[in-house]
Amino acid sequence: GENVEQHPSTLSVQEGDSAVIKCTYSDSASNYFPWYKQELGKRPQLIIDIRSNVGEKKDQRIAVTLNKTAKHFSLHITETQPEDSAVYFCAASNQGTYKYIFGTGTRLKVLA
Amino acid sequence: GAVVSQHPSRVICKSGTSVKIECRSLDFQATTMFWYRQFPKQSLMLMATSNEGSKATYEQGVEKDKFLINHASLTLSTLTVTSAHPEDSSFYICSARPAGANVLTFGAGSRLTVL
Repeated sequence: GENVEQHPSTLSVQEGDSAVIKCTYSDSASNYFPWYKQELGKRPQLIIDIRSNVGEKKDQRIAVTLNKTAKHFSLHITETQPEDSAVYFCAASNQGTYKYIFGTGTRLKVLA
Repeated sequence: GAVVSQHPSRVICKSGTSVKIECRSLDFQATTMFWYRQFPKQSLMLMATSNEGSKATYEQGVEKDKFLINHASLTLSTLTVTSAHPEDSSFYICSARPAGANVLTFGAGSRLTVL
């Protein structure tokens, strides 16, 4: 079935450094890839997304890249800040169904 | 922006009882809503797709008689955990997509604890 793998499961970086989280998806029909940030006990919040007709997208300190051939996509956070500490989830979906399959999550800790 | 409300946010019940969780789209109509389950420190697992006016579509391994889903109106879907047991304790989150939008909006989640 559909599967999304996410690495690493935990990531600690010093404030100001960059953080990279990688995901791999299995369903070649997937064409939409959102990234969510979730703080403890709260709802996931969309931080950035990318569609399959685009290879890269950037929004201030956050960027996402997509390699359709390899079925890889990655989240890049630059100049990390303590408030970036949270769990990040990637997801893959087919915009025909809007059924999101989530990755296993990455717990990011930014050390001050 | 689109808002999805979920109620209750927390519920504690005794083993063997049933619990109903509501998911409402406050400012838009949603023909489809999605129910997820999240165990502590784990990912969101899609349980089922709730379809307004028809039966829900359940993911493999999810017991439809255990997790009853009703989507009776364009703004409300309910998840009923029947005969709850301690292993059903989890964080349940719903999501919905406004017509014309490409992204899902999530509810704040409902934490169920079964004693």
